Amino acid sequence: ETGVTQSPTHLIKTRGQQVTLRCSSQSGHNTVSWYQQALGQGPQFIFQYYREEENGRGNFPPRFSGLQFPNYSSELNVNALELDDSALYLCASSFLGGLGEQFFGPGTRLTVL
Amino acid sequence: AQSVTQLGSHVSVSEGALVLLRCNYSSSVPPYLFWYVQYPNQGLQLLLKYTTGATLVKGINGFEAEFKKSETSFHLTKPSAHMSDAAEYFCAVTPREYGNKLVFGAGTILRVKS
Repeated sequence: ETGVTQSPTHLIKTRGQQVTLRCSSQSGHNTVSWYQQALGQGPQFIFQYYREEENGRGNFPPRFSGLQFPNYSSELNVNALELDDSALYLCASSFLGGLGEQFFGPGTRLTVL
Repeated sequence: AQSVTQLGSHVSVSEGALVLLRCNYSSSVPPYLFWYVQYPNQGLQLLLKYTTGATLVKGINGFEAEFKKSETSFHLTKPSAHMSDAAEYFCAVTPREYGNKLVFGAGTILRVKS
């Protein structure tokens, strides 16, 4: 069974640029959630995708957007990067209708200069 | 809105001593409850979860947690700390009516002294 994978591992961007982060779900899962973990804080829910549609969103601006593909992989896109977007971005896959358990990838460390 | 409070951002114990990490949640209806561990530069690994049934749940690596509805708590314990337990621990909840959206606490960094 393949776990959740994310790419790239690390990324450095400058303010105003755009970035795309990628995630491959665990086999058998149909839901992908994205979280932002700023340094020294707990992860914050960005949004969730189910059947290629957004299925819930946290308190993040529209410049954070996502996609889910038929194979349940996913992308997180962030436009007009700000310094505060520097964080670890975690992808988690799960089975909607299950008991809430999510399986996390290793994360992508984004640094905005 | 649900929230999670973890008392103590840093906890230090000696090797072999009891580990106690505290977690309280606010919710009108008991949610599903989780503890995750994060080692440096890694993602989150599920330690244990409470959904229904027995209120004392056992997880991996010798950890366990007890759900106490009256106290809205879900504290994590381990009888004897090991050096390899040094990591950051996160308590999280998800509402039963809307699964899969986790609300995390701020985390507790556990240090184990030899």
